Amino acid sequence: GENVEQHPSTLSVQEGDSAVIKCTYSDSASNYFPWYKQELGKRPQLIIDIRSNVGEKKDQRIAVTLNKTAKHFSLHITETQPEDSAVYFCAARGFTGGGNKLTFGTGTQLKVEL
Amino acid sequence: GAGVSQSPSNKVTEKGKDVELRCDPISGHTALYWYRQRLGQGLEFLIYFQGNSAPDKSGLPSDRFSAERTGESVSTLTIQRTQQEDSAVYLCASSFGPSGTGELFFGEGSRLTVL
Repeated sequence: GENVEQHPSTLSVQEGDSAVIKCTYSDSASNYFPWYKQELGKRPQLIIDIRSNVGEKKDQRIAVTLNKTAKHFSLHITETQPEDSAVYFCAARGFTGGGNKLTFGTGTQLKVEL
Repeated sequence: GAGVSQSPSNKVTEKGKDVELRCDPISGHTALYWYRQRLGQGLEFLIYFQGNSAPDKSGLPSDRFSAERTGESVSTLTIQRTQQEDSAVYLCASSFGPSGTGELFFGEGSRLTVL
C-alpha cells in the first residue's frame, strides 16, 4: 500500500517568514494530494489539495507543489502569521493494496513566533 | 446535520469494559475512515470502508478492535476489554470516495479515557 513520509516533525519560524513542509509518497499511481490543518483541540480541515495533472497550486499565502517524477510534494506558507500555528498533515491517495484509501503523513507541528 | 457526527463526544470507562463509538457520515459519502489520535500524536489509520467493498482493516491494532458499517450510513467502532493505552481521540471521516473530489470531512471525535 501507499506510504507517506513527512518532514520536519516540528518547525518554528518567525512571524512573516516562510514555512515549507515536505512529503514523499511511494505509490506512483497516486493522483490526489491534500493538506490538512489541525488546530489545537480541533478536527483536521482541508486547506489545499493538488491533483497529479498539475505541478503547482496557490491559494493566497498557501501553495502546494508536486513533483510526480520524484514522488514528492510540498506545502509553502508565505508571510506566516500566529494563526498559522497548528499541526499540518499531508496525504496521498493510492491505488495499490488498499484500494483508493487516503494515507496521511505523520504531521508537522508549526509554531509561528512573534 | 450537514457534517460528520460522532457520539459520544467523551467517554470515560474502566479498564476491561467494552465501548462502542458511533459515526454518522455526511449523506451520500461512500467512503468512511476511522483514525486514532493519541495526545500530541498523528492520525493513526484504523479502518476504511468504501461502498460495498470489503473494508480495509489493516490498521486495527488488535482483535479487541472491530468496526461495522451498515451500507453507506452509520458506522460503529467497538473496543472490547479496553486497556489504558486505548485512551485517545477516535476520529471518523467521510468523503464521496474515489469518484468525487476526495475531500475528507472529519467529525469532532470521541475522546476515550480508560481508567
